[in-house]
Amino acid sequence: EADIYQTPRYLVIGTGKKITLECSQTMGHDKMYWYQQDPGMELHLIHYSYGVNSTEKGDLSSESTVSRIRTEHFPLTLESARPSHTSQYLCASRDRRGAFFGQGTRLTVV
Amino acid sequence: AQRVTQPEKLLSVFKGAPVELKCNYSYSGSPELFWYVQYSRQRLQLLLRHISRESIKGFTADLNKGETSFHLKKPFAQEEDSAMYYCALTSNSGGYNKLIFGAGTRLAVHP
Repeated sequence: EADIYQTPRYLVIGTGKKITLECSQTMGHDKMYWYQQDPGMELHLIHYSYGVNSTEKGDLSSESTVSRIRTEHFPLTLESARPSHTSQYLCASRDRRGAFFGQGTRLTVV
Repeated sequence: AQRVTQPEKLLSVFKGAPVELKCNYSYSGSPELFWYVQYSRQRLQLLLRHISRESIKGFTADLNKGETSFHLKKPFAQEEDSAMYYCALTSNSGGYNKLIFGAGTRLAVHP
């Protein structure tokens, strides 16, 4: 079934660890996005991509990086996690109808 | 700069009352506007977009370019409409591919 998947759903990790949040979509969309959102609060765009090998930083300064080697895969990496990175991370892809979101990854850095 | 403003953090109404969730935008080009909804413990999902001019779950939204607004309306609110509602903006022209969201409005419909 065409969908967008994020793993893991929940992650608790220690300060200084490197982590990668996975996002995959099976809809063949070129445009993909990463947002940071505290529950029930504003969505902040941190990265976006228009296609393979094309990524841009969003409006919210972030210490994370992304890659887009394959159309369906848009992972987000934090080289050294800090407590200030504790948040929910939402991945989305879009076509002309609109954007489709994953379930999100709830990250807690202790 | 592109911006989406939702002036109300919380809108509280009784069941059967009319609802209007406000959205104003700033964008110099030709924007495409959306409303997204997030029900409790569910993923964010598309509610409607201005291009399709449709009514979804009784909600409608009209793009007013003069007032740069895209308010979401429903004549009779239901308890199941309680959720977070986000207005969003993007453009289909040129290389602009950002999808920008407003801060969101929580709609609480009381019995």
